[in-house]
Amino acid sequence: DAGITQSPRHKVTETGTPVTLRCHQTENHRYMYWYRQDPGHGLRLIHYSYGVKDTDKGEVSDGYSVSRSKTEDFLLTLESATSSQTSVYFCAISESLRGHQPQHFGDGTRLSIL
Amino acid sequence: QKEVEQNSGPLSVPEGAIASLNCTYSDRVSQSFFWYRQYSGKSPELIMSIYSNGDKEDGRFTAQLNKASQYVSLLIRDSQPSDSATYLCAVNGNKLVFGAGTILRVKS
Repeated sequence: DAGITQSPRHKVTETGTPVTLRCHQTENHRYMYWYRQDPGHGLRLIHYSYGVKDTDKGEVSDGYSVSRSKTEDFLLTLESATSSQTSVYFCAISESLRGHQPQHFGDGTRLSIL
Repeated sequence: QKEVEQNSGPLSVPEGAIASLNCTYSDRVSQSFFWYRQYSGKSPELIMSIYSNGDKEDGRFTAQLNKASQYVSLLIRDSQPSDSATYLCAVNGNKLVFGAGTILRVKS
């Protein structure tokens, strides 16, 4: 299995609070991704990173920010959580953005915002 | 039109039958195609990759690709109850795009 660790695995918090999710990889892959998965929507890309300090927006980036200070860590922050951000969040890694390299996923974080 | 489309299902097949899962995509420059299996409450797991037209077999799984028709499918032979899961199609052109998934239920 790809060495990807997400923390925390579960979190319950209140509307308006800041939340940070962490993704840690041991594969030394260049690309890292944050997705959210909701019923009926499948996996939707929030942000991705193509290197240390290099990030870009995905299709549902509003309300989220990311940071990557080391190759192995990719943080997702909800500055002021809202109930619409209740979801399951997956981190993924890949060796390349395009081409034949697939993405491999972490175990996910179940986030509930009350 | 969604970039990657899958029938949401559920697709129900009896144990031992062939399950056929289908996916269409809109981006003609797509180069690589992946099938992921996702059990309830778990993360997506890569099960098949295919890059050229035709069939690719791996155990009980066969992926089929037809770029002219922009169509990729996954066949599961001798379906088992343990195959019950959601199957996600992912297509990589300029970016990797996932379909919403097809729920497969194998009944014993």
